[in-house]
Order: sequence, then structure tokens, then C-alpha cells
Amino acid sequence: EVQLVESGGGLVKPGGSLRLSCAASGLIFSNAWMSWFRQAPGKGLEWVGRIKSKNDGGATEYAAPAKGRFTISRDDSENTLYLQMNSLKTEDTAVYYCTTDWPSHGGSWGQGTLVTVSS
Amino acid sequence: QSVLTQPPSASGTPGQRVTISCSGSRSNIGSNPVNWYQQLPGTAPKLLIYNNDQRPSGVPDRFSGSKSGTSASLAISGLQSEDEADYYCAAWEDSLVFGGGTQLTVL
Repeated sequence: EVQLVESGGGLVKPGGSLRLSCAASGLIFSNAWMSWFRQAPGKGLEWVGRIKSKNDGGATEYAAPAKGRFTISRDDSENTLYLQMNSLKTEDTAVYYCTTDWPSHGGSWGQGTLVTVSS
Repeated sequence: QSVLTQPPSASGTPGQRVTISCSGSRSNIGSNPVNWYQQLPGTAPKLLIYNNDQRPSGVPDRFSGSKSGTSASLAISGLQSEDEADYYCAAWEDSLVFGGGTQLTVL
């Protein structure tokens, strides 16, 4: 069974940075395309971006609000996915979810980690 | 404002069949497959339907999806109390875009 465990959330001031981690198990992580989603309090789902497997080129893609500020990376030796978030804004406040992209976007989900951007 | 349009709420009684619509455009639903996600209260979302009408392993066949043109639908037959949740549709359009979600109440 696929298990995804996010960590690294917390309170950060506007303009600050935070790095989220997602530890994966129960899958061949190096073959997996992985995505980050987020959900602001009381709001709907939003896709943040994804990273392909190294075998498929390892490219990253981002939603418009994340481009230029967020970076998705992976460490296949540690079965870990990362989301580096810089220049954080209050509107980035959300629960961030790590997901697999099999059999499609958001195939399996972690429990999420809360990021609060506030002064 | 969400790119895809869903009704904000839906309801039904146990055993009933309920459908939730999702309307988009040629550049999203009209060109790419639709996914549906279920989010039970206080939990992480779960992939319910992918590629318009495919169910991941473990999803009951009471849930079905369909697509026609620039619209898609999620149907739930034999409604049960545990189906009370938020349902979201999504499709690719340069990035993955979502509907605003439909809150399903089982009366």
C-alpha cells in the first residue's frame, strides 16, 4: 500500500521560505511521477506542480501561482519528494498534499501539512 | 473563480441516484480526460474517477463517470450516508484545473 507522509509545515512570515518534505513508501518511488496539491482553509483543491521520474526526464511543471517561487525536487535514494517555497505570501496559506500521479493526477494522497503565512 | 463549473451543493436520500455536473471548455474538458476526487469531512482527498470513467481499485461501482464534449458528470447510485462529502472535478489545461467543488448531503 502506498504511504505518503508530509512534514515541514508551520508558521512563516510573508516573504519567508519553507521546505516541505514527503516521505514515500509502498511504491517504486524512482519510477513515480509526483505532484503537490494544496487547499486553503475552507476552499477547494488547487494543483501546485509536479515532477516526472528521472527515467522520463525529471522535468517539473508548475501552476501559475507557484512559478518562479516554488521548486519541486526529489531524492530517489531517500524516496523523498520536496517542495521549496520562497517569497511566501499570505495567500499561500493552505494544507499542502503530496500525491502520486498514478493511475492519474492525485492517485494517492498523504495526510497533508499545514502552512500558515502570517505576520 | 474556478476554471471548471460545478454546482455548489447536491443532495439525495439513501438509495437514490445523484449526479454532479462539471462544465468546462474546449481547452480543458473538451481536449483532456476528467478526474473526480472525493473528500470526506476532515480527511485528505481521494481519487474517485480518472480518465473520464475509470475507477481506481477499491472504488465501488456505485460511482461512475462520463464525459460529453465540454461537460462531465459523476453519478452515484444507491446513495449511502458515507457518501456525504465534497466532490471535485479536474482536467488538464496547461496545468491541472479544478471545479469549485460540490458538497453532497445525504438527507
